[in-house]
Amino acid sequence: DTEVTQTPKHLVMGMTNKKSLKCEQHMGHRAMYWYKQKAKKPPELMFVYSYEKLSINESVPSRFSPECPNSSLLNLHLHALQPEDSALYLCASSQERWGTSVADTQYFGPGTRLTVL
Amino acid sequence: QKEVEQNSGPLSVPEGAIASLNCTYSDRGSQSFFWYRQYSGKSPELIMFIYSNGDKEDGRFTAQLNKASQYVSLLIRDSQPSDSATYLCAVIGDYGQNFVFGPGTRLSVLP
Repeated sequence: DTEVTQTPKHLVMGMTNKKSLKCEQHMGHRAMYWYKQKAKKPPELMFVYSYEKLSINESVPSRFSPECPNSSLLNLHLHALQPEDSALYLCASSQERWGTSVADTQYFGPGTRLTVL
Repeated sequence: QKEVEQNSGPLSVPEGAIASLNCTYSDRGSQSFFWYRQYSGKSPELIMFIYSNGDKEDGRFTAQLNKASQYVSLLIRDSQPSDSATYLCAVIGDYGQNFVFGPGTRLSVLP
């Protein structure tokens, strides 16, 4: 089973709202990722968690706040977003971050389509 | 700056033909290479990975890697309209490094 789940599938929010995106995997993977993807562009890495610790923050604005409550869950808290933050937000997981094909293979969830009004 | 390049397309092939997708990368230390398929509005779906020079086959898909020339390709035999999607090449280096995605190639298989 290589399933990563994400909720909600769609989210519409105003610029003053606070919302959260949720990601879950039960594959025993120890690395989890948040990506942002705009139309006709490749996924853009936002955050990496390895063994529940934030290891990479790709200079993401503070209005995005990640959280890893346990090894299976990853949240992305959203606050005071801008319309340009509208995008598909993807969660992915991999066994490890060892630099080998098998361990580093990333499996993506279905994504959350976010619209900021 | 590590770069991964792909022809943006669209690449159009007739149904039943072989589709050839190419990817080049700048970092000679890159170790592993991945091909993902992404349908419009959906998330990337892993097709296969390759890390040794040569060919790797999985059903209608064959990945080819040439580290000396720094390119990796994906061949799709007997292309079907359902193969119409964007194909993303991803490259990773050593321990702890992140995927570097190419811009993707849009493939259109014409019935």
